Amino acid sequence: DAGVTQSPTHLIKTRGQHVTLRCSPISGHKSVSWYQQVLGQGPQFIFQYYEKEERGRGNFPDRFSARQFPNYSSELNVNALLLGDSALYLCASSLDPGQGAYGYTFGSGTRLTVV
Amino acid sequence: GENVEQHPSTLSVQEGDSAVIKCTYSDSASNYFPWYKQELGKRPQLIIDIRSNVGEKKDQRIAVTLNKTAKHFSLHITETQPEDSAVYFCAAQSPGTYKYIFGTGTRLKVLA
Repeated sequence: DAGVTQSPTHLIKTRGQHVTLRCSPISGHKSVSWYQQVLGQGPQFIFQYYEKEERGRGNFPDRFSARQFPNYSSELNVNALLLGDSALYLCASSLDPGQGAYGYTFGSGTRLTVV
Repeated sequence: GENVEQHPSTLSVQEGDSAVIKCTYSDSASNYFPWYKQELGKRPQLIIDIRSNVGEKKDQRIAVTLNKTAKHFSLHITETQPEDSAVYFCAAQSPGTYKYIFGTGTRLKVLA
């Protein structure tokens, strides 16, 4: 079982640049959620997608966007990077967390550093 | 807005002792409460969860209790071992939403 895979594992970008992070969910899982985890804090919800549709959006600026593909993989895009965007970006896979909840399975994350 | 408070932020216990981590949530409609363990540099892993129609759940040395009236839930680890050392996060989910609200984490150190 492949688990949740994220790429890249580490990334260094300059302020103002754009970044794309990728996630492949567990086989059979149709929902992907994105979380931002700043060092020393709990994960903060960014987006959730289910069956290629956005199901939820957290309190993040429009610089953050995402999409889900027919194979249920997902991309998180961040434009005009700021120093404060430096964080661990976690992708979580689940069957359908809107249906009375199933625990997420998290990927290992992408560590983004903005300099 | 929705909020989950978690205490303590750090906890040191002797090996073999018990550890208790407490969380309080603000949305009385929350109905699902998972706990995650995150080791340094690794992904959060689900260790136990509880739904609002249950007051307690156990899995070997780990248990979670829920008090809906007080909007409070706790993680109990008995007979702690050095490999239990990690950061633990609680979370709450409300029906009709698709996000978890996470607590700020508890760094547990089990001293050998």
